[in-house]
Amino acid sequence: DQQVKQNSPSLSVQEGRISILNCDYTNSMFDYFLWYKKYPAEGPTFLISISSIKDKNEDGRFTVFLNKSAKHLSLHIVPSQPGDSAVYFCAAKEISGSRLTFGEGTQLTVNP
Amino acid sequence: DTAVSQTPKYLVTQMGNDKSIKCEQNLGHDTMYWYKQDSKKFLKIMFSYNNKELIINETVPNRFSPKSPDKAHLNLHINSLELGDSAVYFCASSRGLDEKLFFGSGTQLSVL
Repeated sequence: DQQVKQNSPSLSVQEGRISILNCDYTNSMFDYFLWYKKYPAEGPTFLISISSIKDKNEDGRFTVFLNKSAKHLSLHIVPSQPGDSAVYFCAAKEISGSRLTFGEGTQLTVNP
Repeated sequence: DTAVSQTPKYLVTQMGNDKSIKCEQNLGHDTMYWYKQDSKKFLKIMFSYNNKELIINETVPNRFSPKSPDKAHLNLHINSLELGDSAVYFCASSRGLDEKLFFGSGTQLSVL
C-alpha cells in the first residue's frame, strides 16, 4: 500500500526548459510535503518543502505546487540545468507523525 | 567534515553471516534514522531514535537490531543475513523530529 507515488520513473528535458516532476498521495492525513534530490552514490538531500496550508512555495529556480483536493503535488524547475540531473524523491508526513513516507523517485536528466 | 557518515560504503557477504553498519553524525542532532532502499527504489523507514530512545520501529525482522550508544551514533546490526536483505541502507539525522533529514551516502549491502 504505497501512500506516495511518483508515476514517472524518468524525465528528460533540454537545458533551459522547465522540468515538472509529479507526485500523488493517498493519505489525507499528510500535511507536510518535501522534495529531496539524490545524486549517484550520495544520500538524498533536502530541496524544498510545503505545508498543507499553502498551495505554492518558491525557492529560486524551484517551485513546489500543492493541490490538496487532488492529493497531488509537483516540483517545477526553471530553467533546468545539467547539474539538476538527479533522482528526485517526493516525501510526505502526517500531522501527528514523525516519519516521512517517500515515493519511489523520478530520474531527471537535463540535456545540454 | 561529512555531516552524516556511514561505514562501510559497500558490504558483500554470505547468507547466514552477521554484519554491522555504523553511522555517525556531527550535526548535533537529537534524532537518527535507518532507511532501507529496496530494489523498487522506495525509501522506507526502519528505525528512529530520539535522544538514544527508540521511537519508531517499523515491521522489520528482529534480525535487525539498532544500537545507539550516544546521540551522535546509530549502528545497525543484522543477524543471519538473507538474500532479501540486499539493499542500500541509509542513515539519517534531524534536529528533533524535524522533517528535514540529513542523509549519509548509503551502504550497499549484497548478500550472496
